[in-house]
Amino acid sequence: GQQLNQSPQSMFIQEGEDVSMNCTSSSIFNTWLWYKQEPGEGPVLLIALYKAGELTSNGRLTAQFGITRKDSFLNISASIPSDVGIYFCAGQISGGGADGLTFGKGTHLIIQP
Amino acid sequence: DTAVSQTPKYLVTQMGNDKSIKCEQNLGHDTMYWYKQDSKKFLKIMFSYNNKELIINETVPNRFSPKSPDKAHLNLHINSLELGDSAVYFCASSHGPGGNTIYFGEGSWLTVV
Repeated sequence: GQQLNQSPQSMFIQEGEDVSMNCTSSSIFNTWLWYKQEPGEGPVLLIALYKAGELTSNGRLTAQFGITRKDSFLNISASIPSDVGIYFCAGQISGGGADGLTFGKGTHLIIQP
Repeated sequence: DTAVSQTPKYLVTQMGNDKSIKCEQNLGHDTMYWYKQDSKKFLKIMFSYNNKELIINETVPNRFSPKSPDKAHLNLHINSLELGDSAVYFCASSHGPGGNTIYFGEGSWLTVV
């Protein structure tokens, strides 16, 4: 099956710093998604990417779908305390198949005051 | 209004018991899923239903039986609960089985003692 390598596993940063995390895959995906999970809640969709090379922003968040379709990154600019949580990348093969999402293992973001 | 809602949110039960988790989505989606998140926060798909029909059944013990009475509901019944079943179970839904954004419920925290 597909595997996603997400890094880093955790990040300890100061408020105001920029954050960068990425996912790589051994397989090609047609869709890349980035989710954020806060304690006690389900994953919430941040950004969805549907085309290779696509660069999409959502406020201070920017994500890109790698040209090879085997990777994606998420950047957060000027981090604030409410950015704390676990960020998951997820890849999906679309079209005809019935696959659900394959998730990365998550990046735990911790912001130090 | 909650888009994907699941109940109960917390469930503590003894080994050997049978329990159910209910899920409903009001998004008009055709496809619903159950995911399991383990203690290391790894998310893995268990089942997927499209228009009430099972389309994904990952390697899950047959003590787990999903039931979809209609396309807005996907319930998860677990027989003879074991300690290792303790996890967070997330229901999710999407417009179709492939290439569509998946939206998650808030999770059901199951603890087997």
